Amino acid sequence: DVVLTQTPVSLSVTLGDQASISCRSSQSLVYSDGNTYLKWYLQKPGQSPQLLIYEVSNRFSGVPDRFIGSGSGTDFTLKISRVEPEDLGVYYCFQATHDPLTFGSGTKLEIK
Amino acid sequence: EVKLVESGGGLVQPGRSLKLSCAASGFSFNDYWMGWVRQAPGKGLEWIGEINQDSSTINYTPSLKDKFTISRDNAQNTLYLQMSKLGSEDTAIYYCARVILWDYWGQGVMVTVSS
Repeated sequence: DVVLTQTPVSLSVTLGDQASISCRSSQSLVYSDGNTYLKWYLQKPGQSPQLLIYEVSNRFSGVPDRFIGSGSGTDFTLKISRVEPEDLGVYYCFQATHDPLTFGSGTKLEIK
Repeated sequence: EVKLVESGGGLVQPGRSLKLSCAASGFSFNDYWMGWVRQAPGKGLEWIGEINQDSSTINYTPSLKDKFTISRDNAQNTLYLQMSKLGSEDTAIYYCARVILWDYWGQGVMVTVSS
């Protein structure tokens, strides 16, 4: 199975600052069609996960441009510029390239 | 508006079975793969599996393949998860989601396995 290693486990950020989360895969996430099916989710307290980024760098509908996904192959990053109060929660990366699909273990973002 | 609503959860005794439903609306259900994900209390997300539009392809995470069965009824716009031989390790919130982008998720339904 593909293992996604997220770092850091938790992150405490001042409002208005930038946050960065890493997701490293145990194998390349490039699919045979050339696409890389790596997504990022935010799970706010008491809610279901909400899609932020799909296929590495595409923002989902309604997601602010403060959220930027990047990376390739096995190394991926989610950057949140100008952190706002509503950004708190747990961030997960998720790969849909290889069966079984797998999630990272999560990064908890707290506001200082 | 895309809407996914899970139901059928609750308290179940170890070794018993339970069937969850996910009612879909706001999109053409029979055009999409659908899937299930679960989350044990205080833990991360675990992919359970997914089903294609005409139910001809169903994929499962290996550890659950012999216990869980995913099905769908396109006429009723409903996705199902049949769970058998339940144990305490299956206590979790169960989410259904629309696949391809895994973009829309339900609010989740709690399943508690306990005597």
